[in-house]
Amino acid sequence: IQMTQSPSSLSASVGGRVTITCRASQSIGNYLNWYQQRPGKVPRLLIYAASLHHNGVPSRFSGSGSGTEFTLTISSLQPEDFATYYCQQSHSSPFTFGGGTKVDIK
Amino acid sequence: DVQLVESGGGLVQPGGSLRLSCAASGFTFSGYEMGWVRQAPGKGLEWVSYIGSSGSNIYYADSVKGRFTISRDNAENSLFLQMKSLRAEDTAVYYCVRDSLGSVYDHWGQGTLVTVSS
Repeated sequence: IQMTQSPSSLSASVGGRVTITCRASQSIGNYLNWYQQRPGKVPRLLIYAASLHHNGVPSRFSGSGSGTEFTLTISSLQPEDFATYYCQQSHSSPFTFGGGTKVDIK
Repeated sequence: DVQLVESGGGLVQPGGSLRLSCAASGFTFSGYEMGWVRQAPGKGLEWVSYIGSSGSNIYYADSVKGRFTISRDNAENSLFLQMKSLRAEDTAVYYCVRDSLGSVYDHWGQGTLVTVSS
């Protein structure tokens, strides 16, 4: 299953709204997860099962979608949110990641 | 607290072998599936391998199948990745990951760098 993220990069302002899209090459139900990787840091889980928050993840992050199209939305971008975001399908092996979306400061 | 500590990375020549280890603590290791994810320098995340909690179910990415072997020792709370026939394209930071809900990775180690170069 191929995972395609768009855009590959974007610039946004603090307080702004960001939407990242992830498309699967075949239906994966809601087996879609989102990770954040800040520069020089280890990835961390944000959202699993398309829309469920991992422990401690702020409510400004939200996930939606099912089947083949998914979105990650950050409602009000904070300085610590400038990072690269990856989607990953957990439907079937190989459990592929998307190519990533880098969010930087406008 | 959950801790995953990788070791065993380093510089190896093409065609060589290396064994990565991951020491787990802070949770009941034998109750969790585990895996390895890698990241080449400046690149994105690439899923590498999965192992079930008892070690009976194992999956690999096509890029490493036949060259890498994942294993675990539940008595020692350890995960391993035996890598052979290494190629330049295997150069990456290798992360040990805890699989909490069916290939959902809720904890990541700090990673160990593997460099394949002559």
